[in-house]
Amino acid sequence: QQQVKQSPQSLIVQKGGISIINCAYENTAFDYFPWYQQFPGKGPALLIAIRPDVSEKKEGRFTISFNKSAKQFSLHIMDSQPGDSATYFCAASSNNLFFGTGTRLTVIP
Amino acid sequence: NAGVMQNPRHLVRRRGQEARLRCSPMKGHSHVYWYRQLPEEGLKFMVYLQKENIIDESGMPKERFSAEFPKEGPSILRIQQVVRGDSAAYFCASSPQQGAQTGELFFGEGSRLTVL
Repeated sequence: QQQVKQSPQSLIVQKGGISIINCAYENTAFDYFPWYQQFPGKGPALLIAIRPDVSEKKEGRFTISFNKSAKQFSLHIMDSQPGDSATYFCAASSNNLFFGTGTRLTVIP
Repeated sequence: NAGVMQNPRHLVRRRGQEARLRCSPMKGHSHVYWYRQLPEEGLKFMVYLQKENIIDESGMPKERFSAEFPKEGPSILRIQQVVRGDSAAYFCASSPQQGAQTGELFFGEGSRLTVL
């Protein structure tokens, strides 16, 4: 059973555009929602995270939007760059960290 | 300060052999997590360990898989009698405390197991 559902599976964006990745969850015990970035051949690395008591968190070009009532959250990458091309995983944690299935982002120059 | 170290990075085994994957957590980290990543899929939680204790193994297959994190030395994920379906990347992550509650896990670069 997939604890966190993520879409789209893949995404192609022009340089300078906005990349949007969406996630949804069911377990209301989740209390921390991080996003991880993974480059080919590497392990995932924490990108940005949010707690459910805030609706938005911004760090540079990366923004998480959180909708507690809908149990949904999303990652927005503003002014997307070719260097952002990677696989992005949303996750949710209570005692353990559960990952979405990932979104492969390609930013075209 | 070295990151999470996993070895081997690549391992090839024939069906029926044993695979041992090692993970040395970051210095000062006492919590270790193992995840499995299949091609084009996300990371599946397998097991969470502290020193000498298995805290949660709800993601571990009931047979052939075991994990340990001894008082001294690395954490080891052991797969006995490997089958082709075990081919995957196995990632280890560590945290200084219960990092999963804050999402702050530090991942190694993975061990890629290929079963022929």
